[in-house]
Amino acid sequence: NAGVTQTPKFQVLKTGQSMTLQCAQDMNHEYMSWYRQDPGMGLRLIHYSVGAGITDQGEVPNGYNVSRSTTEDFPLRLLSAAPSQTSVYFCASSPGTGPYGYTFGSGTRLTVV
Amino acid sequence: DAKTTQPPSMDCAEGRAANLPCNHSTISGNEYVYWYRQIHSQGPQYIIHGLKNNETNEMASLIITEDRKSSTLILPHATLRDTAVYYCIVRVDVWGSSNTGKLIFGQGTTLQVKP
Repeated sequence: NAGVTQTPKFQVLKTGQSMTLQCAQDMNHEYMSWYRQDPGMGLRLIHYSVGAGITDQGEVPNGYNVSRSTTEDFPLRLLSAAPSQTSVYFCASSPGTGPYGYTFGSGTRLTVV
Repeated sequence: DAKTTQPPSMDCAEGRAANLPCNHSTISGNEYVYWYRQIHSQGPQYIIHGLKNNETNEMASLIITEDRKSSTLILPHATLRDTAVYYCIVRVDVWGSSNTGKLIFGQGTTLQVKP
């Protein structure tokens, strides 16, 4: 199993541009989520999904959209990039909302100039 | 806000046990205690979790006090590769709750393992 795969690993955007961060898992996990981590800080939850077709907002959802059309994929869309969205983005998955550990991807390092 | 309190940093000698404390005095009866670590800028790595009983796996042991208000993560023989930020998280696992599946990360403890 590849686990949780995030692409791209690095990205530079200009202010106002849009883009999609990809996240895919091959473990048939129901639960998937997106976090951002700013320098020297812990992770903050952006959006999450408890199954295909079901998504909800986390702590910091503004400026981001998500959809979950398949169990495997959970893309994160930046609608109009702003410098405040410069961060490292992590995708995570778990078998469900029960007491399971999460598997995290290796992250996407995004810089908005 | 994070519901846990951890010391910001700790040192440990290589080969010795590392004991990382966590205070979660407001934990609810259905909340689990989870531990993750983050090495450099990699994605967090799940270590262990527990509800009431002590737990052990190939990576670590988790000791939860009887009143569940605090816990300790034990790395029995720390190596240089265990240098990381360790996060203690409490989480409720109830389908349909407002906190469904959410992990609330605090600042964690930076563990430095020294030769």
